[in-house]
Amino acid sequence: QKEVEQDPGPLSVPEGAIVSLNCTYSNSAFQYFMWYRQYSRKGPELLMYTYSSGNKEDGRFTAQVDKSSKYISLFIRDSQPSDSATYLCAMSGDGTGNQFYFGTGTSLTVIP
Amino acid sequence: DAEITQSPRHKITETGRQVTLACHQTWNHNNMFWYRQDLGHGLRLIHYSYGVQDTNKGEVSDGYSVSRSNTEDLPLTLESAASSQTSVYFCASRPSGSGNEQFFGPGTRLTVL
Repeated sequence: QKEVEQDPGPLSVPEGAIVSLNCTYSNSAFQYFMWYRQYSRKGPELLMYTYSSGNKEDGRFTAQVDKSSKYISLFIRDSQPSDSATYLCAMSGDGTGNQFYFGTGTSLTVIP
Repeated sequence: DAEITQSPRHKITETGRQVTLACHQTWNHNNMFWYRQDLGHGLRLIHYSYGVQDTNKGEVSDGYSVSRSNTEDLPLTLESAASSQTSVYFCASRPSGSGNEQFFGPGTRLTVL
């Protein structure tokens, strides 16, 4: 069983839709949860970072962590064509961030 | 501006050849990482370093080696390239201390024929 499971998609939505991206994990030691966005032929860049359970909002993006269910989500409101990318979840067990475990990524296309 | 660069961006080589991929960062970060990214597997950690002269094996280290002689550089060497090592390779760095962001380079696309 992989440490982190993520539906690879692809996901295609119309502009303005609400997008929900999800990951599940098996290691209860994970404390730090991240979402990276990766445009085609580019390196990943950090989008959202959350410590432990709860919600975090940043503009059109909301990250949710449910540690009891070992489930994390990223919501994108009012999706834009510029949101078209691959979204990777990542997790680590301690504050050093030196051992990240990544999901396989979900490919998202927002259609104008 | 500080940055992280990788070279070459594209490389084609033959089975059995030694290949070295360069990674250079100007942030003065202590922590550096090499990942490979393959369809269906996501990002997998190859090697990482916490500082000069420190190197550690990651999840998929067989067939790869790194060395850290200064803070800025962490070259990745494929001792004898195999077709299974065809992949996109990403270097990342992270400062010591709190916070968890790893900053990624643009990637190197390696093809082993």
